[in-house]
Amino acid sequence: EDQVTQSPEALRLQEGESSSLNCSYTVSGLRGLFWYRQDPGKGPEFLFTLYSAGEEKEKERLKATLTKKESFLHITAPKPEDSATYLCAVQNYGGSQGNLIFGKGTKLSVKP
Amino acid sequence: DAEITQSPRHKITETGRQVTLACHQTWNHNNMFWYRQDLGHGLRLIHYSYGVHDTNKGEVSDGYSVSRSNTEDLPLTLESAASSQTSVYFCASSESTDTQYFGPGTRLTVL
Repeated sequence: EDQVTQSPEALRLQEGESSSLNCSYTVSGLRGLFWYRQDPGKGPEFLFTLYSAGEEKEKERLKATLTKKESFLHITAPKPEDSATYLCAVQNYGGSQGNLIFGKGTKLSVKP
Repeated sequence: DAEITQSPRHKITETGRQVTLACHQTWNHNNMFWYRQDLGHGLRLIHYSYGVHDTNKGEVSDGYSVSRSNTEDLPLTLESAASSQTSVYFCASSESTDTQYFGPGTRLTVL
């Protein structure tokens, strides 16, 4: 069964304290791995898509990496405005076209 | 700008009533999806559609139905609302297997 596990469930950082969020996955054949950001009371906002092991993508203070079993979202020198829940999702070749399987998310809090 | 909208944003209803949540996208995407989000469960797929007149059941489809009469809209109907359906509902759309873009959500409370 396809599965996505995110850790930790919650992470508290001081402003400027770099860290990483983990997304471990089990999938029959990975088509793509997606990272989203979700602010309270809003819908998920797309951040990155990764397709193959070794791939990396960056956006401002965020960098996403992918291996054959997991993905990391690295946050460098975070600011309070980076506080949000970060969601990871996978899309497989064996499943229905376009369908995503989500993890439960990591809630990030960055204190000034 | 193209977008995806949901209405209403908040809804309170009573057990047993029929409720319809609207989703409208202006990207002309073929694929549309409905999810529910609950504490401890993350986002779970309810129903999805790959085009006009196409509908499919997701992981948690019992008690829900959808219909797709045009490209832009995928309304979600709760035939007889139950307290277990109190949740936040998100609609999303995508072109083929590309990125899914989400709406702002509807918070539904069933009393």
